[in-house]
Order: sequence, then structure tokens, then C-alpha cells
Amino acid sequence: GENVEQHPSTLSVQEGDSAVIKCTYSDSASNYFPWYKQELGKRPQLIIDIRSNVGEKKDQRIAVTLNKTAKHFSLHITETQPEDSAVYFCAASIGYPGNTGKLIFGQGTTLQVKP
Amino acid sequence: SQTIHQWPATLVQPVGSPLSLECTVEGTSNPNLYWYRQAAGRGLQLLFYSVGIGQISSEVPQNLSASRPQDRQFILSSKKLLLSDSGFYLCAWSTDRRPYGYTFGSGTRLTVV
Repeated sequence: GENVEQHPSTLSVQEGDSAVIKCTYSDSASNYFPWYKQELGKRPQLIIDIRSNVGEKKDQRIAVTLNKTAKHFSLHITETQPEDSAVYFCAASIGYPGNTGKLIFGQGTTLQVKP
Repeated sequence: SQTIHQWPATLVQPVGSPLSLECTVEGTSNPNLYWYRQAAGRGLQLLFYSVGIGQISSEVPQNLSASRPQDRQFILSSKKLLLSDSGFYLCAWSTDRRPYGYTFGSGTRLTVV
């Protein structure tokens, strides 16, 4: 079945350093790839997304890159701050016929930014 | 504005007891509705989704069920809880216009003891 693999499971960086989280997906029909941030005990919130017709997207300190050929996409956070500490999830849309809007999520990466 | 309500926020239930979690959406019509479960230290697993009243699709065979009695109401149920049902349950909605633009509810932390 469809699968999304996310690495690493935990990531610890010093404040100001960059963080990179990588995901691979299995469904070649996937065309939408969002990233969610979940703070402790709270709901996941969308932070950035990318569609399959775009190779890179940037929003201030965060960026996402997509390699459709290799079926992998990555989240890049530059100049990390303590408030970036959270669990990050990648996801890929399932390419079923029709517009069901289903997402398959990765296992999550716990990012810790040390002051 | 559109909002999503999910309750209760926390729940402790004994093994074998029934379960009912409710999710309602305001400010939109005919939303796509989803139930996800997040086990400790794991990702988000899609349990059920619904594209309309009475239309439920199950992703994972288990002792849970879902119902959509009204357009903006989604209910997750179980007749007899198992220890393995413990986790963080999240309801989410999206629209046909933005089918992948999920908005999650605040979640229910279920502990089965």
C-alpha cells in the first residue's frame, strides 16, 4: 500500500543552525505534499506545502524541495530558534481516482533546538 | 469563519467499555471529514474518512467504527475498547475546493486502562 517514510525520527540542533527533515513516498500519483508542525499536546498545523509541478518553495526561514523522479521531498529550516522545537510531519496525497483528499503521513520528526 | 470542535479533550476508559468521540465543523457545508489516530511516538494513521452524510470509508480494520449522522458531525465509536486503542485521536476537515487542506481539531487523548 501507499507509504511515506520520514527521517530522522529525532533531530537536535543548536540555535541558529539549520535543520533538514527528509521524506520519501511510494505513490507516483501523489501530487501534493504538506508539512505540519505539532507542538506538545496540540493539534498539527500546516506550515508549508508544495505541489508536484513545483520543485522548491520558500516561506521566510522554511523551505521545501521536491524531487519527483526520486519520490522524495525535504523540509529545510534555517536559523533555527527554540520555538521551532516541535514534532514535524510530512504527508503525501493519495492518488486515488476522485477528489477524496486523503493524506498519508510520515512517522514524524521530533526537532529540539537548544538555546 | 470555519471552526472545528472536538470533544472530550481527555478520556480515561476501562478495557471493554464503549467509546464515543464527537467532532463538529462550523462555517462550511459538505466538508470532507477524517479521523486520525496518533499512537505514542508514532505518526498519524488514517482511520476513517467521509465525503458526505452516511458515507464512511474505513482504512484500517479494527474494533472502531465511524458515523456521520449530519453533514457537519463525525462520530468515532467502539463497542468494547482494547488497550491498543489508547492514543491521540484527531478529527480533521477539508473542502472539495481544497481537498488536501486539512484543518485539525484539538484532539482527544484516550487512555484505556
